[in-house]
Amino acid sequence: GENVEQHPSTLSVQEGDSAVIKCTYSDSASNYFPWYKQELGKRPQLIIDIRSNVGEKKDQRIAVTLNKTAKHFSLHITETQPEDSAVYFCAASRSGGGADGLTFGKGTHLIIQP
Amino acid sequence: KAGVTQTPRYLIKTRGQQVTLSCSPISGHRSVSWYQQTPGQGLQFLFEYFSETQRNKGNFPGRFSGRQFSNSRSEMNVSTLELGDSALYLCASSSTGTAYEQYFGPGTRLTVT
Repeated sequence: GENVEQHPSTLSVQEGDSAVIKCTYSDSASNYFPWYKQELGKRPQLIIDIRSNVGEKKDQRIAVTLNKTAKHFSLHITETQPEDSAVYFCAASRSGGGADGLTFGKGTHLIIQP
Repeated sequence: KAGVTQTPRYLIKTRGQQVTLSCSPISGHRSVSWYQQTPGQGLQFLFEYFSETQRNKGNFPGRFSGRQFSNSRSEMNVSTLELGDSALYLCASSSTGTAYEQYFGPGTRLTVT
């Protein structure tokens, strides 16, 4: 089955700096890669996703890049703000007609230092 | 639209008991997936239902089961509870019928004593 590795487990950055979280996946058939943000005590919230026919996607301060050959994808957050502090999860799935479910990385605790 | 809702939000059970958790998807969403979240194992896929049919199941024992009703509401059941079943159980719904764009509910925090 699919295996997703996520690094780093903890990331501390100064407010205003950029943050990068990296994930690798094992199943070359995976074609959907979402990122979720989970604040303490709250539900995971979908913040951005990318499909395998696209190499990069941006939404304001966040962007995701995908390298299918190397089987890795990354989340980039620019101009970090205190409200970006949370745990971020990457995931991968072979989405087609069967809803294989999402395989998640272990999460990255992002800490924004004032 | 109202988001995904789950009931109850918190539950305390004793080893050996069984429990049923409920999930109401976003209106119009026909796919419901269930996940278990623990500090040690992270988020793990349990199963997915679409139009009352289980289409996929994760690597969990048969004590974990579920069903979906004609209105897309879903329940999951855990029988013969073990201490290790203590976790946050999350459901997610999708309008696309695939894993694309899954939106999570607030979860049910299950504690087994």
